[in-house]
Amino acid sequence: DTGVSQDPRHKITKRGQNVTFRCDPISEHNRLYWYRQTLGQGPEFLTYFQNEAQLEKSRLLSDRFSAERPKGSFSTLEIQRTEQGDSAMYLCASSLVGGAPGETQYFGPGTRLLVL
Amino acid sequence: GIQVEQSPPDLILQEGANSTLRCNFSDSVNNLQWFHQNPWGQLINLFYIPSGTKQNGRLSATTVATERYSLLYISSSQTTDSGVYFCAVEGGGSTLGRLYFGRGTQLTVWP
Repeated sequence: DTGVSQDPRHKITKRGQNVTFRCDPISEHNRLYWYRQTLGQGPEFLTYFQNEAQLEKSRLLSDRFSAERPKGSFSTLEIQRTEQGDSAMYLCASSLVGGAPGETQYFGPGTRLLVL
Repeated sequence: GIQVEQSPPDLILQEGANSTLRCNFSDSVNNLQWFHQNPWGQLINLFYIPSGTKQNGRLSATTVATERYSLLYISSSQTTDSGVYFCAVEGGGSTLGRLYFGRGTQLTVWP
């Protein structure tokens, strides 16, 4: 069990550029989640997948955000035309539906995005 | 969505002291997890505890689901316990799958 991994760990970009983040879940996990955390706040839910199906999207996920999980394994989160308000830590988590103990979500180390 | 309130927001202790962190939530939940976020931002699982009591070393947690609160106990605190502690809950129905987090308790343990 190598845990959830995310790449890159840090990203600095200029306003208006597109960025893409990758998440590799724990290998047997069938659910994958994206969250966003800003300074001084707890993480906020963005979206989640069960296998390759995107089951829910938060209202926080504007049209500039898109997430995919094409083969039910790794996932990508793309932000188009970045804005300074997108600066945050983007966290990925995974879980096993029907696993033990319950559907515990395990988090990756996060990608810290700074939009200049 | 479900409202999650954590208290206290900040806690400063001397090494060796005990502490209790509280999490109140506004609706019935399917899942409750406690996390420790280290200075690098990594969320570390402490407990999966939708109800009942669990212990792991110096840490223990109790969730009283009928009264919509959970407590995290830290005994004989160490400097390495410093960081932010988050409570997160998952509701049912249309919110199934998503975790709602509180704003956390910032714990600082001095030697």
